[in-house]
Amino acid sequence: DGGITQSPKYLFRKEGQNVTLSCEQNLNHDAMYWYRQDPGQGLRLIYYSQIVNDFQKGDIAEGYSVSREKKESFPLTVTSAQKNPTAFYLCASTSTPWSFNTEAFFGQGTRLTVV
Amino acid sequence: GQQVMQIPQYQHVQEGEDFTTYCNSSTTLSNIQWYKQRPGGHPVFLIQLVKSGEVKKQKRLTFQFGEAKKNSSLHITATQTTDVGTYFCAGRRGNTGFQKLVFGTGTRLLVSP
Repeated sequence: DGGITQSPKYLFRKEGQNVTLSCEQNLNHDAMYWYRQDPGQGLRLIYYSQIVNDFQKGDIAEGYSVSREKKESFPLTVTSAQKNPTAFYLCASTSTPWSFNTEAFFGQGTRLTVV
Repeated sequence: GQQVMQIPQYQHVQEGEDFTTYCNSSTTLSNIQWYKQRPGGHPVFLIQLVKSGEVKKQKRLTFQFGEAKKNSSLHITATQTTDVGTYFCAGRRGNTGFQKLVFGTGTRLLVSP
């Protein structure tokens, strides 16, 4: 079945450590996105990538980094510079970034907790 | 900051009652999409509206896009416990070039049997 796979589902991190969240899609989608979800604040865009080897900052990129070396993969690194990293992280993709008529497909999410 | 607001933030209804969530954007949108996120799950696409004043129905769900393309609503008739979840609207502001999808703040619906 085609879809987006995020791993792990739950992740615990000690303060001061970097951690990388995995996102893989087999939908052959060009565009991929990372959102952060906090209670009462909806989904906020962290980074997005329109095409391989290209990515742009979203609304809350500080303390995060990404790479897009392969079309299928868009990993997100939460660095120690992120002040409040505990959240639910969602990866999404759309078939073409330049069409406004495409829906977003989401992964199952990764719940990150800083301990 | 957040450019798409939804109200209410939370609503608790008895099964059989109606429910409506409203989505308001500070700018004109090229389209509006609605997603549903079940508790513990991820957002799943429900529908897209493109035309000014457009109304679409999916069984008990009615979606509207405002005339000015700045607001939208989702109405559920005779709620059921399976309607529990958070409903998000999401919009794009342009129809050329890359336009990121901006999500609303979400409305969490709880339905009691």
